[in-house]
Amino acid sequence: AQKVTQAQTEISVVEKEDVTLDCVYETRDTTYYLFWYKQPPSGELVFLIRRNSFDEQNEISGRYSWNFQKSTSSFNFTITASQVVDSAVYFCALSEATLGGNEKLTFGTGTRLTIIP
Amino acid sequence: GAGVSQSPRYKVAKRGQDVALRCDPISGHVSLFWYQQALGQGPEFLTYFQNEAQLDKSGLPSDRFFAERPEGSVSTLKIQRTQQEDSAVYLCASSAYAADTEAFFGQGTRLTVV
Repeated sequence: AQKVTQAQTEISVVEKEDVTLDCVYETRDTTYYLFWYKQPPSGELVFLIRRNSFDEQNEISGRYSWNFQKSTSSFNFTITASQVVDSAVYFCALSEATLGGNEKLTFGTGTRLTIIP
Repeated sequence: GAGVSQSPRYKVAKRGQDVALRCDPISGHVSLFWYQQALGQGPEFLTYFQNEAQLDKSGLPSDRFFAERPEGSVSTLKIQRTQQEDSAVYLCASSAYAADTEAFFGQGTRLTVV
């Protein structure tokens, strides 16, 4: 069975600090996808990134970066120079790599990030 | 449409009442998913459609839950004889069925059973 663990329930940092959100996953599949989603107070889940299990290259997108390490089954997310608009609940998720790669996501319990002005 | 639309946004039901939740996916999206998100938890998979075919309903918690997508576009999630434990946000997502595509989520329907 697949499982995603986000051990950090809540994190608060002062604006402009860097913050890392941890994600550890379990799967028996050799091919899978990993995701991060942002859930602002409005409720919808906003897609941030998808990673194929064969691609361990780290990714950077503006102030966001992701560190995928298969050896430790982790897919951590770092926000650099945090801003108040980054305040939200962040979810890590995992899916089997079927065609399309996004069926039946297994989500973690989320990390509530609060950026203090 | 521009995004995934769900209605109603909020629903209060008396225990035992039947409810129907609607999802309008992005036009042309083949895949449609329903998730249930309890308070303080991550979303949990309920069911998946590819066009009008319900390919996976393994996440539906009981036979009181029923989903349909008769014409391969709009979907309805129906819950019969609602119970308090059904209180949650129900999220719908759609995607184009192809490699390297993302699922777009709606804002959800918050169901409160009293």
